[in-house]
Amino acid sequence: SSELTQDPAVSVALGQTVRITCQGDSLRSYYASWYQQKPGQAPVLVIYGKNNRPSGIPDRFSGSSSGNTASLTITGAQAEDEADYYCNSRDSRVYVFGTGTKVTVL
Amino acid sequence: QVQLVESGGGVVQPGRSLRLSCAASGFTFSSYGMHWVRQAPGKGLEWVAVIWYDGSNKYYADSVKGRFTISRDNSKNTLYLQMNSLRAEDTAVYYCARDCSGGSCYPHDAFDIWGQGTMVTVSS
Repeated sequence: SSELTQDPAVSVALGQTVRITCQGDSLRSYYASWYQQKPGQAPVLVIYGKNNRPSGIPDRFSGSSSGNTASLTITGAQAEDEADYYCNSRDSRVYVFGTGTKVTVL
Repeated sequence: QVQLVESGGGVVQPGRSLRLSCAASGFTFSSYGMHWVRQAPGKGLEWVAVIWYDGSNKYYADSVKGRFTISRDNSKNTLYLQMNSLRAEDTAVYYCARDCSGGSCYPHDAFDIWGQGTMVTVSS
């Protein structure tokens, strides 16, 4: 079955830029979507498609993709961006989530 | 407002069954595919199942195939997950989520609306 691999944890200084990556074979055929999850809360969609943000998501969040790797970039990280981030991709008829990345804002 | 509300979680013994419900409101439920996603305590998200907007197609993660059944009643704006032969490893918070690929996210796949989740604990 398909897998999506993410780094377990990254840290970023307040106001700086952080990139979170997601690797997997399904990303050669499908775009990733990205979700932010804070403790005790449901996930929230932050990026989908090539680089699309749902209404209400700040423009400091952006996405990109190349080959088997998708990336989520937070430009000018804020304290409220500290959370777990998950990528997701379709793989033919099923879907798969990445292993998740914990982002700490210092 | 657009909302999904799960119910039906609880404590159940291994081998028993449980049915989860997800009540949708604030949007045309019958126009959207729907998913179940779960999260074991302290773990990451795991996709469980999807059902197309009209119920015509259903697909499952290997971990639940043959034990879980996803269904929907568009007349009641409700999504279901019938869980049989439950195992300890099925213990998780179960979320329902709307697939926006046929709507605002078209043509891309994404889950744009999530419920608050319902906890299922499988234990003797």
